Amino acid sequence: KAGVTQTPRYLIKTRGQQVTLSCSPISGHRSVSWYQQTPGQGLQFLFEYFSETQRNKGNFPGRFSGRQFSNSRSEMNVSTLELGDSALYLCASSLIPGPVNYGYTFGSGTRLTVV
Amino acid sequence: GDSVTQMEGPVTLSEEAFLTINCTYTATGYPSLFWYVQYPGEGLQLLLKATKADDKGSNKGFEATYRKETTSFHLEKGSVQVSDSAVYFCALILRDTGTASKLTFGTGTRLQVTL
Repeated sequence: KAGVTQTPRYLIKTRGQQVTLSCSPISGHRSVSWYQQTPGQGLQFLFEYFSETQRNKGNFPGRFSGRQFSNSRSEMNVSTLELGDSALYLCASSLIPGPVNYGYTFGSGTRLTVV
Repeated sequence: GDSVTQMEGPVTLSEEAFLTINCTYTATGYPSLFWYVQYPGEGLQLLLKATKADDKGSNKGFEATYRKETTSFHLEKGSVQVSDSAVYFCALILRDTGTASKLTFGTGTRLQVTL
């Protein structure tokens, strides 16, 4: 079956702009989480969605937001982009939230570069 | 807060050498433990997992044992191959947080295997 699909793979934006990233989870998976990966901070949790509801949020400013649709697809939005937002954004899906028994399946990520 | 500490990299080994990547954790609750691998330009792939003390996770020749007494989950492989060159991440997720959950990652250890 298809894995987690993230689009686009690469993105270049200018400071001050906004950006929307998309994630389609594995068919049947209802929970989607987002992580930011940077060389300096490593992998950091952004938020988790389940049944169109945000269930958990990491320590990021309000410029970072997300949503989940009824088909479990998720989008995250970053407004007023800053240079420090340049990162690999990873989406992960699971059948249910908190998959303590089998972890998450990750997509290949969206590489965002802010110039 | 919860945290994962991995040995600093990069780790450089010759093909067929023995690999150990150390991982220790601090958790307020009872975690499940994971190793993820990231190949260049890719997202994270789940390598192995252990959900309770003394469990041994294994996959593709890699092994790790959940040691509650030493709060450790060291990754080992008896004979590495060039194709194992990647970044390895140790991670935990708490089992007793109800519906709010996230993966907490270590900083990653880069492994380079040479002929």
